[in-house]
Amino acid sequence: GESVGLHLPTLSVQEGDNSIINCAYSNSASDYFIWYKQESGKGPQFIIDIRSNMDKRQGQRVTVLLNKTVKHLSLQIAATQPGDSAVYFCAEMGFKTIFGAGTRLFVKA
Amino acid sequence: DVKVTQSSRYLVKRTGEKVFLECVQDMDHENMFWYRQDPGLGLRLIYFSYDVKMKEKGDIPEGYSVSREKKERFSLILESASTNQTSMYLCASRPPDRGFYQPQHFGDGTRLSIL
Repeated sequence: GESVGLHLPTLSVQEGDNSIINCAYSNSASDYFIWYKQESGKGPQFIIDIRSNMDKRQGQRVTVLLNKTVKHLSLQIAATQPGDSAVYFCAEMGFKTIFGAGTRLFVKA
Repeated sequence: DVKVTQSSRYLVKRTGEKVFLECVQDMDHENMFWYRQDPGLGLRLIYFSYDVKMKEKGDIPEGYSVSREKKERFSLILESASTNQTSMYLCASRPPDRGFYQPQHFGDGTRLSIL
């Protein structure tokens, strides 16, 4: 069946460095992908999305890359800040939405 | 900005009780969802609704029911709470999919403990 998963459950980065969080998906027919950020005690917050007709999309300090050939999605955070510490998870939207389990990002000062 | 409000942040109930979790959204979205979130399992869909008085089962509907009497409100009901329903419950809403998908907007969750 379809699945969306993350390669690493935790990621620790130094403040100011770039962070890369990965996601694999298995449904090649999926055409819309979302990254969410979930801070402790809060609900998931939309960060950025990308449709399957694109390879890259940039936001403010965040970039999402989509590689349809290997069914891989990544979230890049530039100049990571302490406020970026959270759980990040991807979502794959087709007939139903499938969420990854999440990666916890720790930012070291 | 979309606002999805869940009535309780923390709730403690006893086994066998009937539990109501309430969710209200202010963006006139047709689609509303209830998920539970457990460590290592991600978000699992319990029920969703695409219109008033309409409901569809998600992946794990057993032990739950829902009510959508008004467009802005979607309630999750635990008919007879059990300890394995201790979890974080998340409500979400989304505009209708008119030719393209749009993201879901989430509330801050209700952490429910069943003793």
